Amino acid sequence: NAGVMQNPRHLVRRRGQEARLRCSPMKGHSHVYWYRQLPEEGLKFMVYLQKENIIDESGMPKERFSAEFPKEGPSILRIQQVVRGDSAAYFCASSPPAGREQFFGPGTRLTVL
Amino acid sequence: TQLLEQSPQFLSIQEGENLTVYCNSSSVFSSLQWYRQEPGEGPVLLVTVVTGGEVKKLKRLTFQFGDARKDSSLHITAAQPGDTGLYLCAGPPQEGYQKVTFGTGTKLQVIP
Repeated sequence: NAGVMQNPRHLVRRRGQEARLRCSPMKGHSHVYWYRQLPEEGLKFMVYLQKENIIDESGMPKERFSAEFPKEGPSILRIQQVVRGDSAAYFCASSPPAGREQFFGPGTRLTVL
Repeated sequence: TQLLEQSPQFLSIQEGENLTVYCNSSSVFSSLQWYRQEPGEGPVLLVTVVTGGEVKKLKRLTFQFGDARKDSSLHITAAQPGDTGLYLCAGPPQEGYQKVTFGTGTKLQVIP
């Protein structure tokens, strides 16, 4: 039973480019969460999605960031026109319907040059 | 916004020592989870506590949920270098509410 998968594991972008981070939840999980983590810091909630719905995006910056979880395929976190301050580790987690526990992927480490 | 404060923030101890990490809030949580995160990896779920006063043991780790469900502790007996990592508590403020609040984290280093 595969766990949560994220790709790429490492992503390097130059300022102004777009970054696309992918997350495939565990089998049977319909809820996906995205978090950002800066070095030496905890996890900061960004967005909570169910299939084809954004449930809570209160942690997402208002500009340049968007997320989706389509009916088919992985969840995508998209960052447009990246800036150096976007450099961080981005983690995806998934949970089953009504589940209280979240299971995390290995993360994508984004570096903006 | 429900906050989870963890203490201490950093902890460096010798192998074989015991330690306790605390997770406190002014709000009631329907359950609390503890995760461990190693460098370069995602957090791994260790345990979930649900009932006020509940105690769960995982080998040398003992987890306790406060009677009022506002706090939790993690006690490690005879720490080993493999216990090194970032420990995070987390919880949903209400049953059935999926958004989880994460604690501020405790970074543990166990020196051989």
